[in-house]
Amino acid sequence: AQRVTQPEKLLSVFKGAPVELKCNYSYSGSPELFWYVQYSRQRLQLLLRHISRESIKGFTADLNKGETSFHLKKPFAQEEDSAMYYCALRRGWFGNEKLTFGTGTRLTIIP
Amino acid sequence: DTGVSQDPRHKITKRGQNVTFRCDPISEHNRLYWYRQTLGQGPEFLTYFQNEAQLEKSRLLSDRFSAERPKGSFSTLEIQRTEQGDSAMYLCASRGLKAGNTEAFFGQGTRLTVV
Repeated sequence: AQRVTQPEKLLSVFKGAPVELKCNYSYSGSPELFWYVQYSRQRLQLLLRHISRESIKGFTADLNKGETSFHLKKPFAQEEDSAMYYCALRRGWFGNEKLTFGTGTRLTIIP
Repeated sequence: DTGVSQDPRHKITKRGQNVTFRCDPISEHNRLYWYRQTLGQGPEFLTYFQNEAQLEKSRLLSDRFSAERPKGSFSTLEIQRTEQGDSAMYLCASRGLKAGNTEAFFGQGTRLTVV
């Protein structure tokens, strides 16, 4: 069975400082990894996915299969980054649909 | 708002009562999902539909829970004989069929409180 671990429930970072939200997973196959974000009073929305290798709102995440990690990083935090962040995994084979989420990290950017 | 729509947004019910929630997915999305989220936890998968077929159910979905998607469009989630432990946010999501479309879009959820 797959599992996603986000070790930090809360993370506070000063504006302009680097941000790293940790995500580790356990799954023996080839997973698809995602970061979802939930801003205050808004719905859960996709931030980025590992297969796209894209940078969204300055955030990047690299899948490290050796360390089974998918940490989310941003070099310079902005106040609007304050939100709840969830790492999620989907087994990477056709027909699999279930997303397994971590427990989330609440990021607070201190002005 | 043309995203995933859920109704009602909030529901308070007495223990033992039945409740039903509705989800309207994004138009033409053939895949629909239900998740449950309790305080301090991430969303947990409950069930998945492809068109009208329910293809996967979590063990979290006890006999008191039933989900339908009769015409492959909107879906309903019914909880019978509600218990206090059913109090949670119930999230619906949908996804399209296009190749390379890997994103699931979530609704704003229905918050259930069982008193």
